[in-house]
Amino acid sequence: NAGVTQTPKFQVLKTGQSMTLQCAQDMNHNSMYWYRQDPGMGLRLIYYSASEGTTDKGEVPNGYNVSRLNKREFSLRLESAAPSQTSVYFCASSSTANQPQHFGDGTRLSIL
Amino acid sequence: QQQVKQSPQSLIVQKGGISIINCAYENTAFDYFPWYQQFPGKGPALLIAIRPDVSEKKEGRFTISFNKSAKQFSLHIMDSQPGDSATYFCAAEGAGTYKYIFGTGTRLKVLA
Repeated sequence: NAGVTQTPKFQVLKTGQSMTLQCAQDMNHNSMYWYRQDPGMGLRLIYYSASEGTTDKGEVPNGYNVSRLNKREFSLRLESAAPSQTSVYFCASSSTANQPQHFGDGTRLSIL
Repeated sequence: QQQVKQSPQSLIVQKGGISIINCAYENTAFDYFPWYQQFPGKGPALLIAIRPDVSEKKEGRFTISFNKSAKQFSLHIMDSQPGDSATYFCAAEGAGTYKYIFGTGTRLKVLA
């Protein structure tokens, strides 16, 4: 049982390049999330999808877009990467609100 | 009002001792309070969670104490072990919001 799978695990981009981070879950969860983790700042919610077909902004959505492709998959896109987007990105899923969120092992993204 | 303040930033405990991490919040609409454990290079994993209708929850060596009137909650790790050395995050979520607000994390080191 893989849980939440993120690809790629590492990526280096140049400023202005675009990239899509992929996330898939096999727990039949309705809700999915994207977070970024920066030193000393904990995890901050970028976007979430409460259910298939819906997406909403979190705390730090600027510079990102998301797509809930189907119930299993939720992708995060950086259209024009900036050095400030250097971070570790985590995808998570849960059955619904106010339930445990299950996290993937992250994508470490560096933007030069 | 959306912040969750976590302390201490780092903690060193002897093997067999008690580790205590504290979190405080302002938003009285928060309805779910999970704690996560994160090892280097891995995603956060749920440790234990509590809802505001109970004052304490225990799972093995891990206990959450919740003080609704003080708007504080804490994690106690009894008989701390070197394997508990990790970063711990508290979080809070409003009812039906899908938005976890994380604390900034506590790096715990348990000395053998």
